[in-house]
Amino acid sequence: DAMVIQNPRYQVTQFGKPVTLSCSQTLNHNVMYWYQQKSSQAPKLLFHYYDKDFNNEADTPDNFQSRRPNTSFCFLDIRSPGLGDAAMYLCATSRDAAGANEQFFGPGTRLTVL
Amino acid sequence: QKEVEQDPGPLSVPEGAIVSLNCTYSNSAFQYFMWYRQYSRKGPELLMYTYSSGNKEDGRFTAQVDKSSKYISLFIRDSQPSDSATYLCAMSEGNNRLAFGKGNQVVVIP
Repeated sequence: DAMVIQNPRYQVTQFGKPVTLSCSQTLNHNVMYWYQQKSSQAPKLLFHYYDKDFNNEADTPDNFQSRRPNTSFCFLDIRSPGLGDAAMYLCATSRDAAGANEQFFGPGTRLTVL
Repeated sequence: QKEVEQDPGPLSVPEGAIVSLNCTYSNSAFQYFMWYRQYSRKGPELLMYTYSSGNKEDGRFTAQVDKSSKYISLFIRDSQPSDSATYLCAMSEGNNRLAFGKGNQVVVIP
């Protein structure tokens, strides 16, 4: 089945220790997104890639970076995690960035910062 | 005023009851309306998708959009314990940005 896969599902890191979350997709979609979701809150878009074009949200902290080495993979790097960065991180994809824009989500990575 | 308002609940109903969820929004440019279901500690799953105003039915689920009132609804008939989840409304102007509601937690009691 075509899908969005995230690894790891659970990640524990220490305050200030860099961490990388990964996302892969078999849908062959052009657009990949990273969201942050805290408990009982709406997902918050951090950035997205349209193909290789990177689009950062204005309020995304510099602490968050992303890489998309190819169509299938996208990474979220948190350079110096703080306690406030503990959250669920969701990767999503969509075929295009206009029109229907149905987004398909992965299962998420739950990040704990000690 | 937030772009999308959704009462977070929680909403508890007995098995077999009709669940009624709704969202209001302020951006009249929204054209695409979605409902996502999110089980605990899982990613959101696209449940219903509607373009512009009107109704859409899929099995026990019905989505309604009233653009004149800026109001969307999701109805779940014959609710089952497996429907217990958080339901997020989301909407888009037709670009890459989805505006989400905060989600409404539903508990279906056997």
